[in-house]
Amino acid sequence: TQLLEQSPQFLSIQEGENLTVYCNSSSVFSSLQWYRQEPGEGPVLLVTVVTGGEVKKLKRLTFQFGDARKDSSLHITAAQPGDTGLYLCAGARAGNNRKLIWGLGTSLAVNP
Amino acid sequence: DTEVTQTPKHLVMGMTNKKSLKCEQHMGHRAMYWYKQKAKKPPELMFVYSYEKLSINESVPSRFSPECPNSSLLNLHLHALQPEDSALYLCASSQETGNTGELFFGEGSRLTVL
Repeated sequence: TQLLEQSPQFLSIQEGENLTVYCNSSSVFSSLQWYRQEPGEGPVLLVTVVTGGEVKKLKRLTFQFGDARKDSSLHITAAQPGDTGLYLCAGARAGNNRKLIWGLGTSLAVNP
Repeated sequence: DTEVTQTPKHLVMGMTNKKSLKCEQHMGHRAMYWYKQKAKKPPELMFVYSYEKLSINESVPSRFSPECPNSSLLNLHLHALQPEDSALYLCASSQETGNTGELFFGEGSRLTVL
């Protein structure tokens, strides 16, 4: 049972386009992280959201945590080839934040 | 530059070999993790150490043996592995108190079992 549904799984777009990645669950999370991973490297933490309704911006990336803390989205504006990679969401449950619940990932390719 | 360093970056071993993966973090974190990751899949938790004590073992086969010599170091000893154990092995660390689940990963050790 996949507790954190991430979509889309694959995305191939042209440079300059916008995109949104979604992570949805029926469970409530105390916090949710987004990571980006390049081939052969470890995931790199992009952001943590902890408050329902929270919106965080990181340059061209906008992260949102749902009001009920069950879902999150990542929006990239004017994508660049350097944004190419595997994007992973991971949720932490209250009292059990060492065992993250991971989405299956979104493999993004931004073509020049 | 990552503050969690893993060695070696690549390892090829036979099924009868004994090898070790090493991880060192300089972030002052007191929780350290081993994850296994197959291509295009999310990381799978293997072990968690908290204050140098093993706190989580996700039913990992005994051919994988973790060790935490001190608060900065984490090893994963490998013995009699199978080809299906080939994967990227990731070490991570996190704060122990006030932790919101944030993990700081090393670059990984790519293991190939022949």
